[in-house]
Amino acid sequence: DAGVTQSPTHLIKTRGQQVTLRCSPKSGHDTVSWYQQALGQGPQFIFQYYEEEERQRGNFPDRFSGHQFPNYSSELNVNALLLGDSALYLCASSRGQGIQPQHFGDGTRLSIL
Amino acid sequence: DQQVKQNSPSLSVQEGRISILNCDYTNSMFDYFLWYKKYPAEGPTFLISISSIKDKNEDGRFTVFLNKSAKHLSLHIVPSQPGDSAVYFCAASANQGGKLIFGQGTELSVKP
Repeated sequence: DAGVTQSPTHLIKTRGQQVTLRCSPKSGHDTVSWYQQALGQGPQFIFQYYEEEERQRGNFPDRFSGHQFPNYSSELNVNALLLGDSALYLCASSRGQGIQPQHFGDGTRLSIL
Repeated sequence: DQQVKQNSPSLSVQEGRISILNCDYTNSMFDYFLWYKKYPAEGPTFLISISSIKDKNEDGRFTVFLNKSAKHLSLHIVPSQPGDSAVYFCAASANQGGKLIFGQGTELSVKP
């Protein structure tokens, strides 16, 4: 039973560039959430996708956008990268919109030079 | 505004003893609480959760207690094992499965 998978594992970009991160949810899950985790902090919610629509959004600028595909996989896109975007980006999946625990992937470590 | 707080950055416990990790929250609309464990270079792993209609939930060595009047929850690990050494995050949700608000984490070290 495959868990949440994310790619790539690590990524190095320069300021002003654009990046796309990918996530495949756990088998049987249809809801995908994205989080940003800075060093020494807890994960911060970016947004959640269900039925290919953004259902909730955290306090992140429009430079952060996403997409969910019919097979429930998801992408996170960040435009005009800033040094402060350097972080671990975590994808979590869950089943439906009710009370269900979210299960996390191992994340993508994004470094901005 | 930190809605979920873990005031202890670290905790050290002897193997076999009880580990108690604490978490406080400010938003009375939170109705679902979770604990996650995180090892370096891995994503958070779900441990245990509790709905606001309960005050206790138990799963093996892990028990979560919820005190709604005090807006406080705690995770008890009994007995603690060296493999439990990790960073523990509490998280809360206000709309039954939507976005999770995380605390800053507590690093638990269980010494043999």
